[in-house]
Amino acid sequence: EDQVTQSPEALRLQEGESSSLNCSYTVSGLRGLFWYRQDPGKGPEFLFTLYSAGEEKEKERLKATLTKKESFLHITAPKPEDSATYLCAVQAGSARQLTFGSGTQLTVLP
Amino acid sequence: ETGVTQTPRHLVMGMTNKKSLKCEQHLGHNAMYWYKQSAKKPLELMFVYSLEERVENNSVPSRFSPECPNSSHLFLHLHTLQPEDSALYLCASSQEGTGVGYGYTFGSGTRLTVV
Repeated sequence: EDQVTQSPEALRLQEGESSSLNCSYTVSGLRGLFWYRQDPGKGPEFLFTLYSAGEEKEKERLKATLTKKESFLHITAPKPEDSATYLCAVQAGSARQLTFGSGTQLTVLP
Repeated sequence: ETGVTQTPRHLVMGMTNKKSLKCEQHLGHNAMYWYKQSAKKPLELMFVYSLEERVENNSVPSRFSPECPNSSHLFLHLHTLQPEDSALYLCASSQEGTGVGYGYTFGSGTRLTVV
């Protein structure tokens, strides 16, 4: 059974204080690892897809990396508007569906 | 309209009511999904439709009944719900294929409260 574990559960940062969110996964035959951002009361918004170990993708202050066991979402010099819940999900084997982690709730204080 | 649209955004219903949630995708995708999101829990897959055929039913109680009349529309019919069914219900769509993974596009969700 595919498993995805995200840590920490919640993270509070001062504006400009860089940090990383972790997503550990156990799957058989990874086809893709996905990062989403979710604001309160809204649906998840797609950020990145990573397909193989060593791959990195960047978007503004966010950078996602992937190893064979985990993915990191690095946030550099965050701003209050980066406050949201960040979700990690995997698709593996022949599965149609994505398996999600519980998310990391990020709060960036001004 | 663009992306994935869900209506209504908020719904309050009694345990004896019957209501329906609607989802419409404008992306030309061939698969649609219903997920349930409860506080502090991962998104839970409920149903998957591929090319209008239900291909996954993740042990969901029969008080939830999905319907996919065409590749652009998805409904979730609700009846005799329980208070623990209160949650955010998310619809998503994707373009299925083999090989590399394909992500979803989500709607904004319907916040359901059962009283």
